[in-house]
Amino acid sequence: AQKVTQAQTEISVVEKEDVTLDCVYETRDTTYYLFWYKQPPSGELVFLIRRNSFDEQNEISGRYSWNFQKSTSSFNFTITASQVVDSAVYFCALRGAGGADGLTFGKGTHLIIQP
Amino acid sequence: EADIYQTPRYLVIGTGKKITLECSQTMGHDKMYWYQQDPGMELHLIHYSYGVNSTEKGDLSSESTVSRIRTEHFPLTLESARPSHTSQYLCASSELEASRASSYEQYFGPGTRLTVT
Repeated sequence: AQKVTQAQTEISVVEKEDVTLDCVYETRDTTYYLFWYKQPPSGELVFLIRRNSFDEQNEISGRYSWNFQKSTSSFNFTITASQVVDSAVYFCALRGAGGADGLTFGKGTHLIIQP
Repeated sequence: EADIYQTPRYLVIGTGKKITLECSQTMGHDKMYWYQQDPGMELHLIHYSYGVNSTEKGDLSSESTVSRIRTEHFPLTLESARPSHTSQYLCASSELEASRASSYEQYFGPGTRLTVT
């Protein structure tokens, strides 16, 4: 069975602070994909990143960066110099080659950026 | 930018009514999905489709049904709505992978927030 754990239910920081959202996953598949999505108050899910299990290289996209570590089964997401517009619920998700065809989501982390 | 649409965005309906939630995408994606999301909760897959005339049940058991007569259209139907069906329903689509060893990102619609009274 697959599982994604986002232990942080809610995080509140002041604008311009850096913040890291944790994601720990479980899967028996050797090939799998990890994703991060952002869900603003409007409700839609916005795709942020996809990472496959063979590529542990960290990625940076503007103020966003992702740290993938297979040794600890973690795929953490850092926002540098946070902005109020970053306020949203962030979901980590997993899809294994041998599992169900959809994404297995974590429960999400509600990020609040205070001005 | 993803082009996937859901209507209605909000629906309040009485118990026992039949409802259809619409989902359309203009990206030519073969795969489409329906997820259910309760307030403050993670998303659970309830239906998916590989293409026209293909429908499969997801991880979470659902009393809803789906159809896929056209590539771009993947409606979800509840024959008799109940208060337990109150939830947000999100539709998504993705390209069809060449094998299970690959995976494309799913693009999501804005969701339909359903309330059954």
